[in-house]
Amino acid sequence: AQTVTQSQPEMSVQEAETVTLSCTYDTSESDYYLFWYKQPPSRQMILVIRQEAYKQQNATENRFSVNFQKAAKSFSLKISDSQLGDAAMYFCASGGTSYGKLTFGQGTILTVHP
Amino acid sequence: DADVTQTPRNRITKTGKRIMLECSQTKGHDRMYWYRQDPGLGLRLIYYSFDVKDINKGEISDGYSVSRQAQAKFSLSLESAIPNQTALYFCATSDSGTDYQETQYFGPGTRLLVL
Repeated sequence: AQTVTQSQPEMSVQEAETVTLSCTYDTSESDYYLFWYKQPPSRQMILVIRQEAYKQQNATENRFSVNFQKAAKSFSLKISDSQLGDAAMYFCASGGTSYGKLTFGQGTILTVHP
Repeated sequence: DADVTQTPRNRITKTGKRIMLECSQTKGHDRMYWYRQDPGLGLRLIYYSFDVKDINKGEISDGYSVSRQAQAKFSLSLESAIPNQTALYFCATSDSGTDYQETQYFGPGTRLLVL
């Protein structure tokens, strides 16, 4: 079984600043993947970044990076140089290779102030 | 054109009515999923299908049924809608034949209101 917890219902950041969204997870899978999805007001679910659990190197995608702490089962998302378009709901998710399903956290609403 | 489409985008129905939500994809993926999103609960898996002949229940399948008409089409039915099925419904796909098989791609969602 898998559980994903996002303990920050809401976060805010000033434009051009950096913000970190937290996520913890628990899984019985030995081989799994972690994801951050963004859901803007359009409600479309957009993949932000993906991390293979077997890789020690943290994933990065332009202004987005993760801090993956496998022993602590922590997977936080850092957004650098925040932009107004980053304002959205962010979901953390985990998926195991044995069954291919995703388990999502509750989401964090990010507000970006100009 | 969008790779994963859902119809309708919005729907209002009454308690007891049967309703079908449809999902189509042009990504050529073999795996398809149905999730529902409720405020404060994130997305929860309703059903998933790894190919046309392989359909499985997710964590909240009661009150729902699905049909995988073809590799590209996966429909979700509410046989007798009830108000607590009011939610945002997402279809997603993934490709088991790549190194990114765990990565799911989502449709635009269907907002359903059951009165």
